[in-house]
Amino acid sequence: GAGVSQSPSNKVTEKGKDVELRCDPISGHTALYWYRQSLGQGLEFLIYFQGNSAPDKSGLPSDRFSAERTGGSVSTLTIQRTQQEDSAVYLCASSLGVEGGEWVFGPGTRLTVL
Amino acid sequence: AQSVTQLDSQVPVFEEAPVELRCNYSSSVSVYLFWYVQYPNQGLQLLLKYLSGSTLVKGINGFEAEFNKSQTSFHLRKPSVHISDTAEYFCAVIQGGSEKLVFGKGTKLTVNP
Repeated sequence: GAGVSQSPSNKVTEKGKDVELRCDPISGHTALYWYRQSLGQGLEFLIYFQGNSAPDKSGLPSDRFSAERTGGSVSTLTIQRTQQEDSAVYLCASSLGVEGGEWVFGPGTRLTVL
Repeated sequence: AQSVTQLDSQVPVFEEAPVELRCNYSSSVSVYLFWYVQYPNQGLQLLLKYLSGSTLVKGINGFEAEFNKSQTSFHLRKPSVHISDTAEYFCAVIQGGSEKLVFGKGTKLTVNP
């Protein structure tokens, strides 16, 4: 596709429910990243995938958060037993890696936990 | 761990005035540096990047940034801002040998008439 797409664009859920957020990266981009953007906190790194390598999960805030990338393309970020502090915009980005020099960001999914 | 500091959370300026948004990073090894812009209710857009070569980097919309290795800085500048430059600006860095893009907390630039 022309850009990185994310779905849904908005998600409202009740505390304790599980949610899945989807990211479709640019075709051919080997690297895929998830970030969380909260008011006043900038962009917080969550996880990244590079090709067939093991993902770097060092930014996941708790074991309620997990992500997978199927077939080196689409990625799903899952948040189990959501809490109000999980409310944020979740951004996905893809790139050709450092030498490619650009990370292309999707429009984000705004998650609201009531 | 790599970190990025944007010293000013908010910068108000008048139209046609010059502006500098400050960014400092922590790494002492080779780095790649980026500035992204986020206009209200829009996604992140790459403004400019430094990978190697000339330390003065020119980006879109008349912005430029200078990589200063000795001061570990990558400040963003524009000689004359417009109302349309009102946005949030994020500095980001990748440490050489890593693939992890780390962001600062952002600077909100507000251009007033």
